[in-house]
Amino acid sequence: KAGVTQTPRYLIKTRGQQVTLSCSPISGHRSVSWYQQTPGQGLQFLFEYFSETQRNKGNFPGRFSGRQFSNSRSEMNVSTLELGDSALYLCASSLGRGQRSYNSPLHFGNGTRLTVT
Amino acid sequence: DAKTTQPPSMDCAEGRAANLPCNHSTISGNEYVYWYRQIHSQGPQYIIHGLKNNETNEMASLIITEDRKSSTLILPHATLRDTAVYYCTSQGGKLIFGQGTELSVKP
Repeated sequence: KAGVTQTPRYLIKTRGQQVTLSCSPISGHRSVSWYQQTPGQGLQFLFEYFSETQRNKGNFPGRFSGRQFSNSRSEMNVSTLELGDSALYLCASSLGRGQRSYNSPLHFGNGTRLTVT
Repeated sequence: DAKTTQPPSMDCAEGRAANLPCNHSTISGNEYVYWYRQIHSQGPQYIIHGLKNNETNEMASLIITEDRKSSTLILPHATLRDTAVYYCTSQGGKLIFGQGTELSVKP
């Protein structure tokens, strides 16, 4: 089974631009969650999607948004980029959401490294 | 949202057991305890999880206290390839990771 695939692997953008990152989950996984990882703040939860619906959201400004498609693939978008948005963005998939998902490990991709200059 | 506390770093001699503690005193009754590890520049890798009982798989063992307020991940025979940051998390609503423990396995 193919793992979680994130594209692109590296990205360089300029302040004020916007960016879209893509995540393809493991086949059969319906839940996709996104994380931002920086040296200072560690792994921070952005949001989680299940069956095209956002189920949980972390404490990030509205510039960060996401969506999930009917095939469970997900994208996240960051608008009006700031220098502080430079980070490794990780996507994880799991089988389900709700009580079942508590017993469902996350499978992470290797992330997209975003650099904002 | 449940929060976990781990020591920032630990050392272990190669071939010895590595015991990594985690405090999760605010965990809810239906939340599982999960352990992941991250090797530099890769995504976190799932290791093991449990609800109440101790668990063992090919990678590690998980010991959960009876009151479920803390747990210990045991790598029975640590190798140099086990050098990584280890995250303990309780998986419930919002998925929250702490700062993790940086484990250094030394020859």
